Amino acid sequence: AQKITQTQPGMFVQEKEAVTLDCTYDTSDPSYGLFWYKQPSSGEMIFLIYQGSYDQQNATEGRYSLNFQKARKSANLVISASQLGDSAMYFCAMSLLPAQKLVFGQGTRLTINP
Amino acid sequence: KAGVTQTPRYLIKTRGQQVTLSCSPISGHRSVSWYQQTPGQGLQFLFEYFSETQRNKGNFPGRFSGRQFSNSRSEMNVSTLELGDSALYLCASSSTGQGGNEQFFGPGTRLTVL
Repeated sequence: AQKITQTQPGMFVQEKEAVTLDCTYDTSDPSYGLFWYKQPSSGEMIFLIYQGSYDQQNATEGRYSLNFQKARKSANLVISASQLGDSAMYFCAMSLLPAQKLVFGQGTRLTINP
Repeated sequence: KAGVTQTPRYLIKTRGQQVTLSCSPISGHRSVSWYQQTPGQGLQFLFEYFSETQRNKGNFPGRFSGRQFSNSRSEMNVSTLELGDSALYLCASSSTGQGGNEQFFGPGTRLTVL
């Protein structure tokens, strides 16, 4: 069975600092995808970044990068130069490819202080 | 391109009633997935439809059902509502329905069962 663990219920960071949100996963399947989503207080889930299990390089999307360490089964999200608008819940998720079913972690509430 | 739309945005029902939620995916997307989000259980996968066929199903009782129409619009139905069904119900669509593809989420329907 798949499992996603996010060990940081909440994080407080100063504006413009970099922040790392932790995510570890558990699966015995070799083919999977890892996702990060942002959920502002409005409730809508916003896709941030994707990493496939066979991807050799870490994924990057603008200020977001995914630190993928396959042997450690970790997929941490790094946000560079944080902004006030980054305050939200962040969810790590996994799907066993090619299925479309996402399994989510419990989330990390990130608060950016001015 | 219009995003994923969900109607209604808010619903209040009483125990024992049934409810139907609607989701219109992004134009051209053929895969629609449904998720339930509660404070206690987090985000949980309900089911996924692709080209009018249910491809994956989560671990929910038979009171939860869904369908997809030929235009890819999807509905989910919950019968005999229980207090524990109070949740944010999120719908997500993707283009090919491959697990590695980004899933675009709608704003959700917040269901309150009294």
